[in-house]
Amino acid sequence: AQKITQTQPGMFVQEKEAVTLDCTYDTSDQSYGLFWYKQPSSGEMIFLIYQGSYDEQNATEGRYSLNFQKARKSANLVISASQLGDSAMYFCAMREGAGANSKLTFGKGITLSVRP
Amino acid sequence: NAGVTQTPKFRVLKTGQSMTLLCAQDMNHEYMYWYRQDPGMGLRLIHYSVGEGTTAKGEVPDGYNVSRLKKQNFLLGLESAAPSQTSVYFCASSYFGGLEQYFGPGTRLTVT
Repeated sequence: AQKITQTQPGMFVQEKEAVTLDCTYDTSDQSYGLFWYKQPSSGEMIFLIYQGSYDEQNATEGRYSLNFQKARKSANLVISASQLGDSAMYFCAMREGAGANSKLTFGKGITLSVRP
Repeated sequence: NAGVTQTPKFRVLKTGQSMTLLCAQDMNHEYMYWYRQDPGMGLRLIHYSVGEGTTAKGEVPDGYNVSRLKKQNFLLGLESAAPSQTSVYFCASSYFGGLEQYFGPGTRLTVT
């Protein structure tokens, strides 16, 4: 089974509107973390936001927030007030466990296009 | 700070040739990683290192070797390149395992 599932084939949003990018995960660990990265057309990977499994509050970073629903094993990224520069591929990733051998598993990504 | 840098940015190899990709970070991070990115596949971990002198296998290690002789550098080697190794390679580093990783700009490798 895939550990990280991103099934939306491609998303479109009008500039200045909010958009939600879906991510579901699968783990039996109690301690894990969820990350979102942005990859613009230039190719670099940019860290956006992190949510720990024990964090009670949803993580927020500027216009980014993470809608963490532990029972449903979902960690959706919400981008408010979309900008043209938000057009990119977005990857959800999960860290299982902690310490030396914890690694990230990435989803396949979602393409977001912001329309003017 | 330059962050994470990768050399070279682009490379074309013929089948059977060898090459080394260099990753350098100036953030004093303990952990370093090599990923490959293929269309529709996301990023897959090749090898990683939890500190100077250590290396470990990731999800797709076959055909690659790595070395971490200095804390700031992590080298990825292809001894005998194959067309299946055509990909974009990313290096990343983190201060500790499980924390956010900082990525280099990537190396686009084509094997013909």
